[in-house]
Amino acid sequence: EPEVTQTPSHQVTQMGQEVILRCVPISNHLYFYWYRQILGQKVEFLVSFYNNEISEKSEIFDDQFSVERPDGSNFTLKIRSTKLEDSAMYFCASSSPWAGGETQYFGPGTRLLVL
Amino acid sequence: DAKTTQPPSMDCAEGRAANLPCNHSTISGNEYVYWYRQIHSQGPQYIIHGLKNNETNEMASLIITEDRKSSTLILPHATLRDTAVYYCIVGLSTLGRLYFGRGTQLTVWP
Repeated sequence: EPEVTQTPSHQVTQMGQEVILRCVPISNHLYFYWYRQILGQKVEFLVSFYNNEISEKSEIFDDQFSVERPDGSNFTLKIRSTKLEDSAMYFCASSSPWAGGETQYFGPGTRLLVL
Repeated sequence: DAKTTQPPSMDCAEGRAANLPCNHSTISGNEYVYWYRQIHSQGPQYIIHGLKNNETNEMASLIITEDRKSSTLILPHATLRDTAVYYCIVGLSTLGRLYFGRGTQLTVWP
């Protein structure tokens, strides 16, 4: 069964450093998403991406965040200058608009720890 | 914001049916009910969704009341691996953002 993959599984960084989280969505999917989950809290939407542009973003997704689909397979989330409060699990998801396929499939997540 | 209400926790004996309720009294006529679950800190996993009719797949059954204001997810024969947080989500489709509430922590005991 096709699945969303994410790398790395764990990332430790110093405050102020840039990090790039990588995702490989399911191959024929067209919609891509990032969510995050701070320890003990809800899963929160960050951003959705379709047709090479952001289609929706939350208030969390400020100027320090950016997303990119650099090639036909990867989808990345960049955090320019990490803060302590960016420590969380980051989940990538993808979806397809095909009939019966409108389901977001999530990756296993990247655990980001900012020190 | 999440438009659903779920009990914070439930438990179930292994092999028994687990019935997880969800209230969504403000659901619109064209909104679906989706169920996801999250095992420990893994990524959320899709289970099932429905609009009006009851639905069944290899994982679960979804029973939606006639007025669509509530639904029940049924895991017919719960196993220890079904211990997870279960989320009931209402939306037009899953192409847009998903709003996750606190969900129901289901614990299946031996």
